[in-house]
Amino acid sequence: EVQLAESGGGLVKPGGSLRLSCAASGFTFSSYGMNWVRQAPGKGLEWVASISSRSNYIYYEDSLKGRFTISRDNAKNSVFLQMNSLRAEDTAVYYCAREGDFGVVIINPFDRWGQGTLVTVSS
Amino acid sequence: DIQMTQSPSTLSASVGDSVTITCRASQSIDNWLAWYQQKPGKAPKLLIYKTSSLESGVPSRFSGSGSGTEFTLTISSLQPDDFATYYCQQYSTWEKGFGQGTKVEIK
Repeated sequence: EVQLAESGGGLVKPGGSLRLSCAASGFTFSSYGMNWVRQAPGKGLEWVASISSRSNYIYYEDSLKGRFTISRDNAKNSVFLQMNSLRAEDTAVYYCAREGDFGVVIINPFDRWGQGTLVTVSS
Repeated sequence: DIQMTQSPSTLSASVGDSVTITCRASQSIDNWLAWYQQKPGKAPKLLIYKTSSLESGVPSRFSGSGSGTEFTLTISSLQPDDFATYYCQQYSTWEKGFGQGTKVEIK
C-alpha cells in the first residue's frame, strides 16, 4: 500500500526555520516526482514545490523562491522541505504528494497524498 | 504563471441532482487538467486527470470535459458522499496551480 507520512511541523516564531520530511513506502520512490502542497486554515490548495525523480528538475511557486528548498533522498525514500524566514502567512497544513504515472507525459497530477503536517508561524 | 479560476465558489444541491463546476485557465493548457475532491480534515483525492480520464476507483457519476481554457466537472445524481470541496489543477507547466475551490453543500 502506498503511504506518505509527513513530519516536522509545529509552532515556530516569525523569521524562524523548519524542515519538513515526508517518508514514502509501498512504491518505488525513486521513480516518481514529488511535490509539496499547502493549505492555509480555511483556504484552498496552494502548490509549493516540485522535485523530479532524480532531482534534476526543481520548481517553486514564485513567491516562495529563495525561502523554501525542496530536496529528496532516494536511498531513504524521503522528500524534504526546508523553510526559512517564515512568516505568519506561511501558516498552513503542508502535504506531500506523489505525481502519478499516467503515461509518457513528464508532468502529472497528484495521485497519492500524505495526511499533512501543520505549520504555525506565530510569536 | 497560469491562473485557474473556478465557479461557482459554493454550490447548494440536493441528493440526486446533477451539478456542474467550471474551471477556466488564463491561457491554454490543452487537456492537462485534473480534478480533486477534498473533505474536511482530509487530504485531497484525485478524481479525474487529463480533463476526462477517471482515476481508478472513482464512480462513473463523475465526468470531466473541456479543452484549452475552459473545463467542467459534472457529478450526475449527487450522492451524500459527494458533498465536499472540489479543486481543479493545471499541469501543463511545472507550476501546477490549483483553482480556488468549489464547495458543494447540501441544500
